[in-house]
Amino acid sequence: TQLLEQSPQFLSIQEGENLTVYCNSSSVFSSLQWYRQEPGEGPVLLVTVVTGGEVKKLKRLTFQFGDARKDSSLHITAAQPGDTGLYLCAGVKGTGGFKTIFGAGTRLFVKA
Amino acid sequence: DVKVTQSSRYLVKRTGEKVFLECVQDMDHENMFWYRQDPGLGLRLIYFSYDVKMKEKGDIPEGYSVSREKKERFSLILESASTNQTSMYLCASSLPGRDEQFFGPGTRLTVL
Repeated sequence: TQLLEQSPQFLSIQEGENLTVYCNSSSVFSSLQWYRQEPGEGPVLLVTVVTGGEVKKLKRLTFQFGDARKDSSLHITAAQPGDTGLYLCAGVKGTGGFKTIFGAGTRLFVKA
Repeated sequence: DVKVTQSSRYLVKRTGEKVFLECVQDMDHENMFWYRQDPGLGLRLIYFSYDVKMKEKGDIPEGYSVSREKKERFSLILESASTNQTSMYLCASSLPGRDEQFFGPGTRLTVL
């Protein structure tokens, strides 16, 4: 069974703090995606990283794909209450989404 | 914007009932997916379809079947609901060869 492990599972921080979420696997992926899911909604894609070592920034969010394309991290700078949600990483093998493996998620709560 | 809608947000059924979960997407996507989401387990693929009347088993198809008679509609069927099928069910769609999946809001099914 292919696994994608996320850590931490739960994070509660104060507004303005920085945080990093990790996504690790023993499998190599063709790409890795990060989704955010808010209560009562489905996941929404934030970013896709494709190349080993790639770094992408989305405002205060920085995503990195490991050199060996087995792991990824999401760093949030100066977290805000609006960042609260469930962050899911998803490893993709091949194309078309048929071989996408989702992590269990990191539930982030940012207190004002 | 891509819109994926699911027929019910919340559903309560009794053990042994036949349950239909409907999903409709309005962006002419060929690929459609059904997942279930459980705490600590992430999203697990039940079935997917890459064309009308075509279907493929995902990782956990037991106890489920699907139907895709029209391109925009993908139905998940629980032939005889059981309590271990209590879960959040998410439908998604994507374009061929593209990894980004667009999710519906989910149906929270409780089987008593």
